[in-house]
Amino acid sequence: QQQVKQSPQSLIVQKGGISIINCAYENTAFDYFPWYQQFPGKGPALLIAIRPDVSEKKEGRFTISFNKSAKQFSLHIMDSQPGDSATYFCAASSRYYQLIWGAGTKLIIKP
Amino acid sequence: DTEVTQTPKHLVMGMTNKKSLKCEQHMGHRAMYWYKQKAKKPPELMFVYSYEKLSINESVPSRFSPECPNSSLLNLHLHALQPEDSALYLCASSLTWGLQETQYFGPGTRLLVL
Repeated sequence: QQQVKQSPQSLIVQKGGISIINCAYENTAFDYFPWYQQFPGKGPALLIAIRPDVSEKKEGRFTISFNKSAKQFSLHIMDSQPGDSATYFCAASSRYYQLIWGAGTKLIIKP
Repeated sequence: DTEVTQTPKHLVMGMTNKKSLKCEQHMGHRAMYWYKQKAKKPPELMFVYSYEKLSINESVPSRFSPECPNSSLLNLHLHALQPEDSALYLCASSLTWGLQETQYFGPGTRLLVL
């Protein structure tokens, strides 16, 4: 019940295209859903986060869509650029509980 | 400044060695974390310190010993490690523990146990 399932495992997108990564969770107590971006040789960095009181949050080219009833959330990267090539992790938590991480998606943007 | 620094960047040690990893932040954060990350896997939480007290130990073997000397520093003491302990060790910090604030990660220490 504590799992966060992330798909796909890897994704190749042409420059300028839309990258979409999906996550699903089971624990209805989760109320914080961050996305982290990790470049090779670096630690993860928070990209964007959402709470279940909103269905969508946008920051620049990055958008989180959240479907509370389906217990799913997704990251959309618009106008994907080669510099977006990285591993993306979704995560979920509730208060005073650790982050539960998805397995990660390796995104490659082809020039 | 949102930087978490970690030293060393790389560490090679034998199974009988004793070594320490260091982490530092000057953001005034009162929660600090140690994670272990294997290749192509997400970070796994090891320890959480809140206000310099150990709050969470995720059943980590005793060959890993954390220490929080003050609110800015976090150490991880290593002793008698096994080859399967080879991984990237990440330190992170956040304003507080438990209120879902952003965790800021350091670049990690890449550890190889021979």
